[in-house]
Amino acid sequence: DAGVTQSPTHLIKTRGQQVTLRCSPISGHKSVSWYQQVLGQGPQFIFQYYEKEERGRGNFPDRFSARQFPNYSSELNVNALLLGDSALYLCASSLTAGDYGYTFGSGTRLTVV
Amino acid sequence: QKEVEQDPGPLSVPEGAIVSLNCTYSNSAFQYFMWYRQYSRKGPELLMYTYSSGNKEDGRFTAQVDKSSKYISLFIRDSQPSDSATYLCAMSVSGATNKLIFGTGTLLAVQP
Repeated sequence: DAGVTQSPTHLIKTRGQQVTLRCSPISGHKSVSWYQQVLGQGPQFIFQYYEKEERGRGNFPDRFSARQFPNYSSELNVNALLLGDSALYLCASSLTAGDYGYTFGSGTRLTVV
Repeated sequence: QKEVEQDPGPLSVPEGAIVSLNCTYSNSAFQYFMWYRQYSRKGPELLMYTYSSGNKEDGRFTAQVDKSSKYISLFIRDSQPSDSATYLCAMSVSGATNKLIFGTGTLLAVQP
């Protein structure tokens, strides 16, 4: 079975640009969460979506937004990119909103120059 | 003060050693405790998942949670070079979201 898939794997953007990252959860998983991992740090929670509704939002500016589609896939959008947005963006899926043992994808490595 | 503190290492041990990895936390409401392993340029992989206090064993791995001390541990027995990775502790409260709070990760190198 396919795990959590994320695309693209790598991305280079210029300051001020916008970026969209995509995530397909494990089949049957209805909850998707997004994390940002800066080099040398642990992942930081950005969003959780369950059944297309936002269930949680971390301490990130409004430049970050996300949505979940009827097939439970998800997109993370970041506007007006800053150099500090350079990080590994991780998507994780779980069966339900209350399931804590989730599965991560390999991430999208975003570099802002 | 961070909610979850973890020594970043690096920690270097010889093959076959017992490895002890630890995290402390400040939020007494945490009830779910996880350990993830992350290889370079990969996503974290769930190793152990514990609810509340106590011990849990899975093969060479043992997770311990001491809620009275706000301290969790992961022990790796008979460590192998393939165990070389970053180990992340993570925890969560019970609620409407399954948001995890992660430590910074400990880099482990097992020398053959």
